[in-house]
Amino acid sequence: AQSVTQLDSQVPVFEEAPVELRCNYSSSVSVYLFWYVQYPNQGLQLLLKYLSGSTLVKGINGFEAEFNKSQTSFHLRKPSVHISDTAEYFCAVSVKGAQKLVFGQGTRLTINP
Amino acid sequence: DTEVTQTPKHLVMGMTNKKSLKCEQHMGHRAMYWYKQKAKKPPELMFVYSYEKLSINESVPSRFSPECPNSSLLNLHLHALQPEDSALYLCASSPPSTGGWEKLFFGSGTQLSVL
Repeated sequence: AQSVTQLDSQVPVFEEAPVELRCNYSSSVSVYLFWYVQYPNQGLQLLLKYLSGSTLVKGINGFEAEFNKSQTSFHLRKPSVHISDTAEYFCAVSVKGAQKLVFGQGTRLTINP
Repeated sequence: DTEVTQTPKHLVMGMTNKKSLKCEQHMGHRAMYWYKQKAKKPPELMFVYSYEKLSINESVPSRFSPECPNSSLLNLHLHALQPEDSALYLCASSPPSTGGWEKLFFGSGTQLSVL
């Protein structure tokens, strides 16, 4: 079975500072990896995904993530955050071809002015 | 149309009530999902429909009954719920692709309170 661990439940950051949200996964088979963002009182929106190929993946809103197979990690980064990035961020994994998406516990990103 | 629309946005029901949640998409997606999300927790998969057939049931209690009348519509019928069923219910859809079902589009959810 697959599992996802988000190492930080909360990350406070000052506006315009860089941020990294950490995600580790475990699986015995090849997986797809995703980052979703959830703004207050809304559903989830896909930020980016890793399916195969280049290990550096660029997503929307200036976010990027790097897949590291040896460390089983898929950390999310942004070089300069904005107040509007305040949200809950979920890392997720699925087995290739499967429909079940397993989410991590989420990281609440808070941007301070 | 690139949205997944869920109605109602809020629902309050008693434990003896029968109600339904509705989800609609017009993106031509052939997989539709129900997720349950408790406060400050990640979404948990409940059901998946692929090509209008139930393909995954994550051992959900029978008081939750899904229905997929056509490729654009997904319902969740609720009966005799418990207060612990109070949660945000999220619908999602996804298109097929060569690598499988890669990307989920989520609705904004129905916030359900069971009294």
